[in-house]
Amino acid sequence: AQSVTQLGSHVSVSEGALVLLRCNYSSSVPPYLFWYVQYPNQGLQLLLKYTSAATLVKGINGFEAEFKKSETSFHLTKPSAHMSDAAEYFCAVSDRGYSTLTFGKGTMLLVSP
Amino acid sequence: DAGVTQSPTHLIKTRGQQVTLRCSPKSGHDTVSWYQQALGQGPQFIFQYYEEEERQRGNFPDRFSGHQFPNYSSELNVNALLLGDSALYLCASSLGLALGEQFFGPGTRLTVL
Repeated sequence: AQSVTQLGSHVSVSEGALVLLRCNYSSSVPPYLFWYVQYPNQGLQLLLKYTSAATLVKGINGFEAEFKKSETSFHLTKPSAHMSDAAEYFCAVSDRGYSTLTFGKGTMLLVSP
Repeated sequence: DAGVTQSPTHLIKTRGQQVTLRCSPKSGHDTVSWYQQALGQGPQFIFQYYEEEERQRGNFPDRFSGHQFPNYSSELNVNALLLGDSALYLCASSLGLALGEQFFGPGTRLTVL
């Protein structure tokens, strides 16, 4: 069985500060890993995904994530937070070859001026 | 190019009633997955349809059923509604059963009173 743990239900940063959202996964096979963002009253939008190519993955809106097999982690980072980054972020894992996703509980990112 | 659309946007039902939610996939997509997102939680996989058949199912009771039509659109039916069924129901579409990117709709907010 696969699972995802997101550390911290809420993360607060100041505008311009580094954003770091943590995700650890458990999977019996090499996983596919994803980060999604959800703005209020909207569906999920894919930020980036890891599918066994480069371990450092760049996504939209300046976000990137690094797959670390030894740490079973896939943390999301952005060098400088913008007010528009305030949203809920979900890490998800999928068994290779399947398109069903197992999500973490999410981390709400709060950005203050 | 229309993305994933869902209807209705909001729905209020009472315990014991039945509900049907609808989803139209992104143009060119043939696979539809349904997820339940309870308040404060990450989405949970309900089931996936491909070629008009249920291909995978998550840990949900038989009260949850679905259908996929020849035009790839899909319905989610929930019978004998419980208060705990109150959630945002998300539909995602993708191409094939392999790991194509899943595109999410805006969701249907179901409230059970």
